[in-house]
Amino acid sequence: EVQLVESGGGLIQPGGSLRLSCAASGFIVSSNYMSWVRQAPGKGLEWVSVIQSGGKTFYADSVKGRFTISRDNSKNTVYLQMNSLRAEDTAVYYCADSTAGGGAFNMWGQGTMVTVSS
Amino acid sequence: QSVLTQPPSASGTPGQRVTISCSGSSSNIGSNYVYWYLHLPGTAPKLLIYRNNQRPSGVPDRFSGSKSGTSASLAISGLRSEDEADYHCATWDDSLRGPVFGGGTRLTVL
Repeated sequence: EVQLVESGGGLIQPGGSLRLSCAASGFIVSSNYMSWVRQAPGKGLEWVSVIQSGGKTFYADSVKGRFTISRDNSKNTVYLQMNSLRAEDTAVYYCADSTAGGGAFNMWGQGTMVTVSS
Repeated sequence: QSVLTQPPSASGTPGQRVTISCSGSSSNIGSNYVYWYLHLPGTAPKLLIYRNNQRPSGVPDRFSGSKSGTSASLAISGLRSEDEADYHCATWDDSLRGPVFGGGTRLTVL
């Protein structure tokens, strides 16, 4: 079964760091474009970052310089390192396959909640 | 504030046809494909419509998408109780150089 499973969310103080993981099964992350998309409470979805199959990375302006996307091909896992966290980063974070491009996300994980609060 | 504009809520009775709108601009909907996602809170979002009006395998033909100019619509006919969910539109934005979403529409089946 093709599946994406996120983990690593939790409660963190403002200014803190957290690393999210997205483990894939039945699916090779290094052959695809993998994105992180988040949804703040009561808000719409917001694209956060993508790592392309060739390794290039891109970020939304709201997280540029604070978040880093990476992958471990041996573990078939994508990561999102989040530093200098702010209250407005509070959201459910989803990883998704965005290989088709242009706003198409063919497969999603179930999400992991990140709460930034003192 | 989301780049694409959707009504926050919509409703209908079983068997009815409902439409959900998604409004954008020339830099996003006006020049790119539109995608629609169904999302039940606490679960993984699901691709419902791709490239404006195409359905992935397994999506019933009760769901249809359309696009005109800088707006798009999702129509659901023969409404069923299990259609109660959040619906999100998405596309690419040439100015922002990234995917953008609408704020989501919560559909209630009365």
